[in-house]
Amino acid sequence: DTGVSQDPRHKITKRGQNVTFRCDPISEHNRLYWYRQTLGQGPEFLTYFQNEAQLEKSRLLSDRFSAERPKGSFSTLEIQRTEQGDSAMYLCASSLVSGQSNQPQHFGDGTRLSIL
Amino acid sequence: DAKTTQPTSMDCAEGRAANLPCNHSTISGNEYVYWYRQIHSQGPQYIIHGLKNNETNEMASLIITEDRKSSTLILPHATLRDTAVYYCIVKSTGTASKLTFGTGTRLQVTL
Repeated sequence: DTGVSQDPRHKITKRGQNVTFRCDPISEHNRLYWYRQTLGQGPEFLTYFQNEAQLEKSRLLSDRFSAERPKGSFSTLEIQRTEQGDSAMYLCASSLVSGQSNQPQHFGDGTRLSIL
Repeated sequence: DAKTTQPTSMDCAEGRAANLPCNHSTISGNEYVYWYRQIHSQGPQYIIHGLKNNETNEMASLIITEDRKSSTLILPHATLRDTAVYYCIVKSTGTASKLTFGTGTRLQVTL
């Protein structure tokens, strides 16, 4: 399967614990995005990387959230001291961008986080 | 990026064409119209995008009005597997890279 891969698919944890999610983008895609989706809503943008550089962060990304893409390939999203409100689906997407091209973003199937 | 307006829900009989409308009256000249869909418990799936010309691929057709203020996604022969939430998104090719999703149209395909 050459699509965007996310791990784990489901994560259940107690409030206050730290969690980390991984995203493997489509090979050779230079942009990687993180979104969050709560029940009944469309996905909301969190942050994106161009290669290893994090170029934009949403105001939704509080200090407890950190994302990395150390070698410009896979990315991790960590949430520290989880809260009930962090329960959501965390989606990763990737795209190939060069110049003014408008290649679409392709999404993984997400990690569903449940905070007890 | 311009905002979009879509009906909350639609029904379509299996085998018939599903026509999903989207209004984007504030779209600007460098903004593309993208369509994604999301089947329950899966990530959004890219369907099609266009600037001003009509587009067709193996999944769907995209019809954009001449003034670009609205568009219609057409699934020519809907099947039960097309039941999903369909999102119409307007995005520029400039520095703004994120997709801004609304709440989409929930399409229910019935027998």
